[in-house]
Amino acid sequence: AQTVTQSQPEMSVQEAETVTLSCTYDTSESNYYLFWYKQPPSRQMILVIRQEAYKQQNATENRFSVNFQKAAKSFSLKISDSQLGDTAMYFCAFEASGSRLTFGEGTQLTVNP
Amino acid sequence: DTGVSQDPRHKITKRGQNVTFRCDPISEHNRLYWYRQTLGQGPEFLTYFQNEAQLEKSRLLSDRFSAERPKGSFSTLEIQRTEQGDSAMYLCASSFAETSGPNNEQFFGPGTRLTVL
Repeated sequence: AQTVTQSQPEMSVQEAETVTLSCTYDTSESNYYLFWYKQPPSRQMILVIRQEAYKQQNATENRFSVNFQKAAKSFSLKISDSQLGDTAMYFCAFEASGSRLTFGEGTQLTVNP
Repeated sequence: DTGVSQDPRHKITKRGQNVTFRCDPISEHNRLYWYRQTLGQGPEFLTYFQNEAQLEKSRLLSDRFSAERPKGSFSTLEIQRTEQGDSAMYLCASSFAETSGPNNEQFFGPGTRLTVL
C-alpha cells in the first residue's frame, strides 16, 4: 500500500516571498504520478502541478515548481513570489495504475500581507 | 465548458435516514471517483468506475454504502441508515484515461457536505 506524509500541518509566508512545502511517500511501484492539489477555503480542489515518476526533470508551472527526489521518495512544492490567493490547504497525492489518488494529511498555507 | 458538478451541495439528515448524492462528471471522461474528506484531513478513496463498471472499492465502503454509474455518465452514491460518523464532505472526481496506465489528472467537483444529526 502507498502512503503519503506531509509533516507540516501549517505554514505561513509573507507576500512575495518563497515557501517550500514538504511531502514524502512510500511505494513499491515503479511507474506512478505525483500531484500537488490546492483546496482554498470552501472551494473545490484544483490541480497545481504534477510529476511523472519516470521523468527526471522537475515539473514547473509558472510560480510553482517541484523538487522530485525519486530515490529519497521526496516531492516538495516551491511557491515563488507568494500571493494572497495562494492561501489554501495544499495536498500532496500519489497515483499508480490509473486508479485511486492517495493523499497526504495536507498543509495549511497562509500568505500574509 | 462545465466541470464536475455535484448535487446537493449540502445535506443535513437524521441518524438512520438514507441519503443519495449525485455526481455529473466532465462529459468525455470515462473514469469517475468518489472520495470522503473529514475536516482537516486529506480525501480518502471510496470507489471508482471506468465507464459503467465499478472497478475498485475501498474497505471504507461498508455495506451501507452503494455507488452506481448505470450508463457510464452520472453516478450516485447512496448511504443507508446513516450514522454520525458518516458526516463528511463527499467528493467526486473524473478523468480520462486509457484502458490501463496512470491517469493524467483527476478533476474534482465542489463536494457534498453531509451532516448527520
